[in-house]
Amino acid sequence: QQPVQSPQAVILREGEDAVINCSSSKALYSVHWYRQKHGEAPVFLMILLKGGEQKGHEKISASFNEKKQQSSLYLTASQLSYSGTYFCGTGRGGTSYGKLTFGQGTILTVHP
Amino acid sequence: SQTIHQWPATLVQPVGSPLSLECTVEGTSNPNLYWYRQAAGRGLQLLFYSIGIDQISSEVPQNLSASRPQDRQFILSSKKLLLSDSGFYLCAWRSTGATGNTIYFGEGSWLTVV
Repeated sequence: QQPVQSPQAVILREGEDAVINCSSSKALYSVHWYRQKHGEAPVFLMILLKGGEQKGHEKISASFNEKKQQSSLYLTASQLSYSGTYFCGTGRGGTSYGKLTFGQGTILTVHP
Repeated sequence: SQTIHQWPATLVQPVGSPLSLECTVEGTSNPNLYWYRQAAGRGLQLLFYSIGIDQISSEVPQNLSASRPQDRQFILSSKKLLLSDSGFYLCAWRSTGATGNTIYFGEGSWLTVV
């Protein structure tokens, strides 16, 4: 079952903040966030493994609520380089062999 | 450090022609390997995964096949391409390092079937 991301698209000005959500109808073991620039492969941002865990990467952070089966990606004081499509990938753990199921993506556009 | 490469980067193939995309991983042994496809403006769909040589699992029925003849080589093939096979194909490998298990993508291969 594909996780659902919201919103589908976000338009920001430099310095503004954004939140991207990822929800699953099934129990999650892990949530993985990626950013993809146009025409390029997705680049790994961070992984969240535990319920309630939060992680940060510069001004990008994320949370994982295991009970609610959802994760949120927080982009603070956005920069032009943050533009791209953000994907969450969900892992089931166990014998799933590391397979990730990806959401449909959220297009983030940052203007000067 | 580990690296992943796939080729060719871009190809245009006529309908009915064969396909072969190749992916190799360096700096690790016995990795889990994956082939994903991304249609234009869409998300990432898992096509195949492999946990070892000659061990391939298909996630969706399709016109494609995968093979793993060597530990760090993963090949995506088709005998006869369809228009619907067009897309961005991504090979990936799974890291099992201290920072957690996640997958890393190769550069991708753009396939246009005409």
